[in-house]
Amino acid sequence: GENVEQHPSTLSVQEGDSAVIKCTYSDSASNYFPWYKQELGKRPQLIIDIRSNVGEKKDQRIAVTLNKTAKHFSLHITETQPEDSAVYFCAAIKAAGNKLTFGGGTRVLVKP
Amino acid sequence: NAGVTQTPKFQVLKTGQSMTLQCAQDMNHEYMSWYRQDPGMGLRLIHYSVGAGITDQGEVPNGYNVSRSTTEDFPLRLLSAAPSQTSVYFCASSYSSPWRSYNSPLHFGNGTRLTVT
Repeated sequence: GENVEQHPSTLSVQEGDSAVIKCTYSDSASNYFPWYKQELGKRPQLIIDIRSNVGEKKDQRIAVTLNKTAKHFSLHITETQPEDSAVYFCAAIKAAGNKLTFGGGTRVLVKP
Repeated sequence: NAGVTQTPKFQVLKTGQSMTLQCAQDMNHEYMSWYRQDPGMGLRLIHYSVGAGITDQGEVPNGYNVSRSTTEDFPLRLLSAAPSQTSVYFCASSYSSPWRSYNSPLHFGNGTRLTVT
């Protein structure tokens, strides 16, 4: 089955700096890659996603890039703010699949 | 809409006891799933269902049973609780399979924190 590895496991950044989280996946058939944000004590919520026919997608301060050849995708957060402090999960699923596989999570701390 | 409702929020069990975690959604979602969240291990899929009457195993199904008799409900049963099942459990649903859910992401419940002593 699919295996998704996520790095780093923790990330501390100064407010205003950028944060980058990288995920690699094992199944070349995977073609949908969502990112979820989980604030402390709350449920995970989708923040951005990308499909394999797109190399990059942006939504305000967050962007996701995908390199299908290398089988990795990354989340970029620019101009970080304290409310960006959370655990971020990447995930992958293949076309016509029903199992969404998550990475181990990255705890991001934005220091004011 | 209440979204995805999980009960209970907290539960303590003794080893060997059984119990059912409840999950209900009022969004007419076809796809429902159960994940467990453990530190450093992300969210691991236990079981999922693509519609009433249909269930299948995820990544870590051992020790758990599910059923889907209605579209709305997807209970998770622990047959004989073990300390290794201490975790936070999330139920999640979407309009259709996550692969198809380009505009309908997984909606998670608030989670059930389970401790097995």
